[in-house]
Amino acid sequence: TQLLEQSPQFLSIQEGENLTVYCNSSSVFSSLQWYRQEPGEGPVLLVTVVTGGEVKKLKRLTFQFGDARKDSSLHITAAQPGDTGLYLCAGARGTNAGKSTFGDGTTLTVKP
Amino acid sequence: NAGVMQNPRHLVRRRGQEARLRCSPMKGHSHVYWYRQLPEEGLKFMVYLQKENIIDESGMPKERFSAEFPKEGPSILRIQQVVRGDSAAYFCASSRRAGGSTDTQYFGPGTRLTVL
Repeated sequence: TQLLEQSPQFLSIQEGENLTVYCNSSSVFSSLQWYRQEPGEGPVLLVTVVTGGEVKKLKRLTFQFGDARKDSSLHITAAQPGDTGLYLCAGARGTNAGKSTFGDGTTLTVKP
Repeated sequence: NAGVMQNPRHLVRRRGQEARLRCSPMKGHSHVYWYRQLPEEGLKFMVYLQKENIIDESGMPKERFSAEFPKEGPSILRIQQVVRGDSAAYFCASSRRAGGSTDTQYFGPGTRLTVL
């Protein structure tokens, strides 16, 4: 059973376009993280969201945590080739502190 | 650079051999996590350790796999009698305290295991 579903699985766009990727679950998470992973490297943390309805911005990236803390979205404005990578969401539940559940990721390709 | 360190970065083993993967957490971090990643998939939790203790090994296969985090030295993920299905990238993460909403896990660059 996949607790975190990410969509789309693959996304290929042109430089300058906007995009949104989603992370959905039927479970409630105490916190949710978004990571970006490049080929051959480990995931790099982008943001942690904790409060339902929370919105965080990181330059051209906007992260939102759903009101019920079951889902999240990542919106990228004016995508650049440097945004290319695997975007992973990961959730942690209070009863299982220390164990994060990862989605299978969205592979983003931004063409120049 | 005080990030999470993993070695080796690449490891090739023949079926039946043993694989030992090492992870040195960030300075000041006493919690270590091991994850496995297959191509184009997310990370699957394997085990969570604190110094000298295994806290959660619910994601670890019951046979051939073991992990330790001794008082001194790196955490070790050990795979005995490797099979082709063990080929994957193995990532270690560390945190200052227990994960979830109270702390952040920082990942190492991973060890890519290939079983011939």
